[in-house]
Amino acid sequence: AQKITQTQPGMFVQEKEAVTLDCTYDTSDQSYGLFWYKQPSSGEMIFLIYQGSYDEQNATEGRYSLNFQKARKSANLVISASQLGDSAMYFCAMRGNQVDRDDKIIFGKGTRLHILP
Amino acid sequence: ETGVTQTPRHLVMGMTNKKSLKCEQHLGHNAMYWYKQSAKKPLELMFVYSLEERVENNSVPSRFSPECPNSSHLFLHLHTLQPEDSALYLCASRRDRNTGELFFGEGSRLTVL
Repeated sequence: AQKITQTQPGMFVQEKEAVTLDCTYDTSDQSYGLFWYKQPSSGEMIFLIYQGSYDEQNATEGRYSLNFQKARKSANLVISASQLGDSAMYFCAMRGNQVDRDDKIIFGKGTRLHILP
Repeated sequence: ETGVTQTPRHLVMGMTNKKSLKCEQHLGHNAMYWYKQSAKKPLELMFVYSLEERVENNSVPSRFSPECPNSSHLFLHLHTLQPEDSALYLCASRRDRNTGELFFGEGSRLTVL
């Protein structure tokens, strides 16, 4: 079975510091994809970054980067130079690659990030 | 603004009421999803539609009835709900059932009295 684990329910970080949000996953698929989403208090889920399991380089999108360590089955999100607007819930998610799983995207429980001024 | 619109944003209903949640996307996507988000629980996948055909029904009680009349619209019909069904219901679309990321709406906050 596929599973996403986010072990940090909440984090407090000083503005302008870098922050790492942890995500580990479990899957038997050889090919899969990993996502990170941000959910502000307004409720909308905002896509941040994607990493394919066969991508050789870690994904980056502006201040977001994904520290992908395949052997350890981890896909941590790194936010550089954090801003007050980064305060939100962050979800790690995964899609499988089997016929009955590639249209499912499952989510972790999330990490609530608080950026302090 | 993701291109996915959900209405209503907030809904309060009694256990005997019948109501519907609506989701609309103008992204040209072929797959649409309903997720349930309860406090302190991961997002739960409820239904997946691909090209208007339901391809996933994730053991959801029959008091939730989805409808996808075309690839741009998705409904969740609610009937005889329980208080534990109170949650944020998120609609999402995806280019195809196995390609790309999910684009979410802002959600419909449902309270069942």
